[in-house]
Amino acid sequence: EPEVTQTPSHQVTQMGQEVILRCVPISNHLYFYWYRQILGQKVEFLVSFYNNEISEKSEIFDDQFSVERPDGSNFTLKIRSTKLEDSAMYFCASSRARANPYDLQYFGAGTRLSVL
Amino acid sequence: DQQVKQNSPSLSVQEGRISILNCDYTNSMFDYFLWYKKYPAEGPTFLISISSIKDKNEDGRFTVFLNKSAKHLSLHIVPSQPGDSAVYFCAASPPSLGTDKLIFGTGTRLQVFP
Repeated sequence: EPEVTQTPSHQVTQMGQEVILRCVPISNHLYFYWYRQILGQKVEFLVSFYNNEISEKSEIFDDQFSVERPDGSNFTLKIRSTKLEDSAMYFCASSRARANPYDLQYFGAGTRLSVL
Repeated sequence: DQQVKQNSPSLSVQEGRISILNCDYTNSMFDYFLWYKKYPAEGPTFLISISSIKDKNEDGRFTVFLNKSAKHLSLHIVPSQPGDSAVYFCAASPPSLGTDKLIFGTGTRLQVFP
């Protein structure tokens, strides 16, 4: 069964460093999303992406964050200068068509980001 | 800002019995609800959904009930099996507002014991 793949599974970085989290969405999907979950808290929406541009972003997704689809398969989340509070599990998701209720979002296993 | 709340962080149920997981929401504009299940080291996987035009949706052992007046939904698992042990997330969405984002609760950890 097709799945969303995220790498790495765990990323450790120093505060102030740049990190890139990578995702390979399901191949025929057109809509892409990033969510994050800080330990013990809810899963929070960060950004949605369609047709090579951001379609929606949350208040969390400030100028330190960016997303890119550099080629036909990868979807990346970059954090330019990491802060301690960026430590969280980051989930990538994709859907074939506009989600909710037209299609489902399929989630990857996540990347645990630890900022020291 | 807790628009979707799951007030029980954990639930323990004996195998074969019913598991009832609860979820409350605050925004009456939410008109589509989903339950996702998450095993350790895996991403959330879709379980069942319900539109606000319905009050019940059933899929095998899983049934979701929606009470719009109370802004409450629940997931019933009957009979519960040890393989159901996971974290269950309730999620809401307001597609009528043109957004695809999911608004999640904090999750309920279900443990089904023999």
